[in-house]
Amino acid sequence: DGGITQSPKYLFRKEGQNVTLSCEQNLNHDAMYWYRQDPGQGLRLIYYSQIVNDFQKGDIAEGYSVSREKKESFPLTVTSAQKNPTAFYLCASSLQGANTEAFFGQGTRLTVV
Amino acid sequence: QQQVKQSPQSLIVQKGGISIINCAYENTAFDYFPWYQQFPGKGPALLIAIRPDVSEKKEGRFTISFNKSAKQFSLHIMDSQPGDSATYFCAASGNSGGYQKVTFGTGTKLQVIP
Repeated sequence: DGGITQSPKYLFRKEGQNVTLSCEQNLNHDAMYWYRQDPGQGLRLIYYSQIVNDFQKGDIAEGYSVSREKKESFPLTVTSAQKNPTAFYLCASSLQGANTEAFFGQGTRLTVV
Repeated sequence: QQQVKQSPQSLIVQKGGISIINCAYENTAFDYFPWYQQFPGKGPALLIAIRPDVSEKKEGRFTISFNKSAKQFSLHIMDSQPGDSATYFCAASGNSGGYQKVTFGTGTKLQVIP
């Protein structure tokens, strides 16, 4: 089945630890995105990538890092510098160009204790 | 800066009623307006989308109305069903520095009661 897969679904980490969230897609999409979802704040863009080995900061990139070594994969690392990391994280992918649908993964709920 | 304002934050509608969610945007460079539906614990999925060259688009029970001069658009769900209970996000998309940037509204939690 074609789609976008995030893992794990739930993740618990101690404060001060870095953690990496996985995102894999087999839709042959060039563009990939990471969003953070908090209650009452909608979806906020963390990072995006239009092509392999290239990525740009979104609106709330501080405390996060990404890599895009393969077209299919766009992992997100939540570093200890992120002040409030507990949230629901969503990965998405789309074709390049205007008016294209974004396909979302099922999300990873990160809880930092 | 919130570029897409969505209201209401929550909505309760009786089965068979009409659900209406409104959005307003500021950036006139936006040229694509999708609506996403999200069920609890799941990622959002595209529901319906419209371009600014049309004033209305209908797909089944779902209709987008678009007012370009007022920079507003809305989602109407006719004959609302309990299965429509979800969070709905409007979005606006446009080219920003060569990249198609999507800005989401804050979401509306819809509950359809039997």
